[in-house]
Amino acid sequence: GAGVSQSPSNKVTEKGKDVELRCDPISGHTALYWYRQSLGQGLEFLIYFQGNSAPDKSGLPSDRFSAERTGGSVSTLTIQRTQQEDSAVYLCASSWGVDTQYFGPGTRLTVL
Amino acid sequence: GQSLEQPSEVTAVEGAIVQINCTYQTSGFYGLSWYQQHDGGAPTFLSYNGLDGLEETGRFSSFLSRSDSYGYLLLQELQMKDSASYFCAVKQDSGAGSYQLTFGKGTKLSVIP
Repeated sequence: GAGVSQSPSNKVTEKGKDVELRCDPISGHTALYWYRQSLGQGLEFLIYFQGNSAPDKSGLPSDRFSAERTGGSVSTLTIQRTQQEDSAVYLCASSWGVDTQYFGPGTRLTVL
Repeated sequence: GQSLEQPSEVTAVEGAIVQINCTYQTSGFYGLSWYQQHDGGAPTFLSYNGLDGLEETGRFSSFLSRSDSYGYLLLQELQMKDSASYFCAVKQDSGAGSYQLTFGKGTKLSVIP
């Protein structure tokens, strides 16, 4: 079946603008994760959705970041009033559990 | 808090064996995973150790010692295509039945002829 997809693949925006990043997980996967990866760095956990439970938002770096997951499937990560330090690749992953996560290709965000 | 330590870079010769170590300090530890990421690509799952010992999958093996808070990824018969970044990741209980993966900063492996 299809893997995790993300859109857009690239996003260039101006400082101060809001952006929305989309993730379509693998069908049937109950868990969905968002990570951020800066150039040459590791993956920074942002937020985790598991089924109908309240999301684990412990990794969100500021209140400018928010995410939602509609119908237990598609998720949108929103960054308000973007800053240059928000520039990174934003990766989404889905899984049945935590042991094996399947990653999407990522969205490369550039804030000018 | 939690932390994972792994070497930032490793270079090895094609056909050789290389071991990438990972030490961790974390609460609520459940297991250790390894992911591979080629430049410009997405991370892909390699292995998971929930129990002490060695897990073997083809040319790749992964080891965990919970008492030592230590694990490693072993790559045998290295091929040029193995050049990539390798991340260890700790599965931990973040409370209320929620689990998450915390990733290390990654080890960039360069395989040379």
